[in-house]
Amino acid sequence: DQQVKQNSPSLSVQEGRISILNCDYTNSMFDYFLWYKKYPAEGPTFLISISSIKDKNEDGRFTVFLNKSAKHLSLHIVPSQPGDSAVYFCAASSAGNMLTFGGGTRLMVKP
Amino acid sequence: DTGVSQNPRHKITKRGQNVTFRCDPISEHNRLYWYRQTLGQGPEFLTYFQNEAQLEKSRLLSDRFSAERPKGSFSTLEIQRTEQGDSAMYLCASSVPTGLREKLFFGSGTQLSVL
Repeated sequence: DQQVKQNSPSLSVQEGRISILNCDYTNSMFDYFLWYKKYPAEGPTFLISISSIKDKNEDGRFTVFLNKSAKHLSLHIVPSQPGDSAVYFCAASSAGNMLTFGGGTRLMVKP
Repeated sequence: DTGVSQNPRHKITKRGQNVTFRCDPISEHNRLYWYRQTLGQGPEFLTYFQNEAQLEKSRLLSDRFSAERPKGSFSTLEIQRTEQGDSAMYLCASSVPTGLREKLFFGSGTQLSVL
């Protein structure tokens, strides 16, 4: 069973506009959530995280929102830049256990 | 370069052959993870070590898969009698757990192609 789902396999956005990537989870024990970014032929790199005691975390152009009641989180990138084009993975963990990843969303930012 | 290093970057093998991949974690990281990623999917957890102890191995895909971290530093992942379904990217990651907030640092992976 997929405990972490990213229902949009791809997203295309114009440069300068907002990109919103979504993630849903089913395991209510998850208490720590992360977003990773992956370029072709490279490993995933950490982008931003959020603990379940918060509902928002911001780092520059990147903001993650967590809605625990809906078991939903989203990553906002504003303004989007062509260099943001990559595959974005949502991941979650509980009590320090291993990360469970979603299937990824390919973001394409058009100049 | 002080990141996670994986070798080789690419491995092409014939079905039935054994393959071994190596991972060198970030030096001060005591946890080391192996993940597998197939096309269009997210990384799938396989196993992890804390120092030299393998704390979770139930997710290894079959008894053909095994991993070691003999001195608590580098790790190897071996696949015996490879099958075409083993073709995937094998990712290694390392971390230093700080309470509940664990952030993994990934290597660039080993791309395995089984012909």
